[in-house]
Amino acid sequence: EVQLVESGGGLVQPGGSLKLSCTPSGFTFSDSAMHWVRQASGKGLEWVGRIRSKANNYATAYGASVKGRFTISRDDSKNTAYLQMNSLKTEDTAVYYCTRLWANWNAFDIWGQGTMVTVSS
Amino acid sequence: SYELTQPPSVSVSPGQTASITCSGDKLGDKYACWYQQKPGQSPVLVIYQDSKRPSGIPERFSGSNSGNTATLTISATQSTDEADYYCQAWDTSTVVFGGGTKLTVL
Repeated sequence: EVQLVESGGGLVQPGGSLKLSCTPSGFTFSDSAMHWVRQASGKGLEWVGRIRSKANNYATAYGASVKGRFTISRDDSKNTAYLQMNSLKTEDTAVYYCTRLWANWNAFDIWGQGTMVTVSS
Repeated sequence: SYELTQPPSVSVSPGQTASITCSGDKLGDKYACWYQQKPGQSPVLVIYQDSKRPSGIPERFSGSNSGNTATLTISATQSTDEADYYCQAWDTSTVVFGGGTKLTVL
């Protein structure tokens, strides 16, 4: 079965850090660009950022609201993508999804179930 | 920054056709995608490259994109189609989502 599983969410204080993981199964992870998308409660989808494959030099890009605070990485040997979140703010509270970009369609065809991040004192 | 605008809500009667629009500057020059999200669930891709359907998506879902507007059309709408719908496009190498439209089938 093709799927993505996120983990690592939880409660963190403002200014703190948290690292999310995304583990795929059922497809060749190393060939895929992986993206992170978040959704605050009752709100819409917001793109967080992405990391491309080794063939594309593991290039990263980020949304304006997280740039400089969040870092996306991957370990193809462990079939895992990561989202390192630093200097967290209360407005970062959201469900975080990892998703695969299917290059042939230039669209996100596989989504994880999401992991909740709560930033609160 | 590039913005995509959707109506917050659309209502449709069962069996009728629902149309959800997504507006952005010269959106027709880009590819648009659409995602369906039901409460408590992850988004699901329903349309890619303006008008193509992934396998498993019913034929009643269709899309178009021209000028400044992309449109998701759901024919013979069913109660199971009630969900939030998000359009998405690319602005250079960054991803942009519309604000979402809640489709109510009543």
